[in-house]
Amino acid sequence: NAGVTQTPKFRILKIGQSMTLQCTQDMNHNYMYWYRQDPGMGLKLIYYSVGAGITDKGEVPNGYNVSRSTTEDFPLRLELAAPSQTSVYFCASSYITYNEQFFGPGTRLTVL
Amino acid sequence: AQTVTQSQPEMSVQEAETVTLSCTYDTSESDYYLFWYKQPPSRQMILVIRQEAYKQQNATENRFSVNFQKAAKSFSLKISDSQLGDAAMYFCAYSKETSGSRLTFGEGTQLTVNP
Repeated sequence: NAGVTQTPKFRILKIGQSMTLQCTQDMNHNYMYWYRQDPGMGLKLIYYSVGAGITDKGEVPNGYNVSRSTTEDFPLRLELAAPSQTSVYFCASSYITYNEQFFGPGTRLTVL
Repeated sequence: AQTVTQSQPEMSVQEAETVTLSCTYDTSESDYYLFWYKQPPSRQMILVIRQEAYKQQNATENRFSVNFQKAAKSFSLKISDSQLGDAAMYFCAYSKETSGSRLTFGEGTQLTVNP
């Protein structure tokens, strides 16, 4: 199993550009999550999904959108990128609620 | 809303010694889960240890153990026989039992291991 994979690993965006961060898991997990980690800080939940077709907002959803059309994929869309979105983005998945979350390697995004 | 507080931004320990990292949390729930995650310079988040709130016995995983004090809402991590590879950022995290396991993280403690 590859676990949780994320692409790209690094990206630089200009203000106002858009992009999609990809996340795929091959563990047949129902639950998937997107977090952001600002420098020197803990992770904050952006969006999460409890299954295909079901998504919900987390703590910091503004400026982002998600979709979950399959169990495996959970892309995160940034519209009109802003410098405040400069961060490291982590995707995670878990088999059942309150169980261990498995994290991807992260995407470092810089908005200039 | 639940909050998780790690009051030690940085800690250091000598190789082979023992270190304890502190974590407190705030919740009105009676059933929940607590975690310690390790983030080395590679950025990968790695689960170190997990504690169910309904269990009175403290969790242990090899050199890692916790001191879970439910009434005090305290959840500290003890690392015994510290190794150079233990150097990392450590995050305490909380999850309600029924919330789709959404994790709330503390701000982390940077652990340095001195040879």
